[in-house]
Amino acid sequence: AQKITQTQPGMFVQEKEAVTLDCTYDTSDQSYGLFWYKQPSSGEMIFLIYQGSYDEQNATEGRYSLNFQKARKSANLVISASQLGDSAMYFCAMREGRVTSGSRLTFGEGTQLTVNP
Amino acid sequence: GAGVSQSPSNKVTEKGKDVELRCDPISGHTALYWYRQSLGQGLEFLIYFQGNSAPDKSGLPSDRFSAERTGGSVSTLTIQRTQQEDSAVYLCASSLRRGAPNTQYFGPGTRLTVL
Repeated sequence: AQKITQTQPGMFVQEKEAVTLDCTYDTSDQSYGLFWYKQPSSGEMIFLIYQGSYDEQNATEGRYSLNFQKARKSANLVISASQLGDSAMYFCAMREGRVTSGSRLTFGEGTQLTVNP
Repeated sequence: GAGVSQSPSNKVTEKGKDVELRCDPISGHTALYWYRQSLGQGLEFLIYFQGNSAPDKSGLPSDRFSAERTGGSVSTLTIQRTQQEDSAVYLCASSLRRGAPNTQYFGPGTRLTVL
């Protein structure tokens, strides 16, 4: 069964508008972490934002925020005030188990975001 | 400080040859991971090293794949008798493995092409 599902292969947004990238996950662990990474055409994976399963507040990092709905097992990424440089592939990933377990990340298929001028 | 570095950035090889891919983690990071990114399979975990513990090799796709980490720092991923399906981008990541969120930071990757 797919552990991380990103249902939007491609998304388009106008510059300066907000966009939401969807991510749902499946785990039986009580302790887990959710990450979003950005991969521009250059190929490097850039860490954007993290949400722990016990965090009560949604994570925010600058223009990035994570809409965490634990009961629905969703962790959508919201990018506010989109910029042309935001055009990239975005991956949602999950680490199962306690934070100190150092376990692998399981990635979704990714969403290709294009920001139009 | 320097991020994760990987070499070579690109590698073209012939089917049946062996290749070695190198990863230099962020200084002080104790955990090191290898992932593979290919068109058909997405991003998949290969192997994980943590200190002196036995590595988690559960993601290696076949016994042609092996990896080692010397002195708790640099890691080498070796693919023997390469096949065309090994063509992919091989990504290395490292993490501090202490405290939340134990974020994995990735290198630029090595693009492997097997002819």
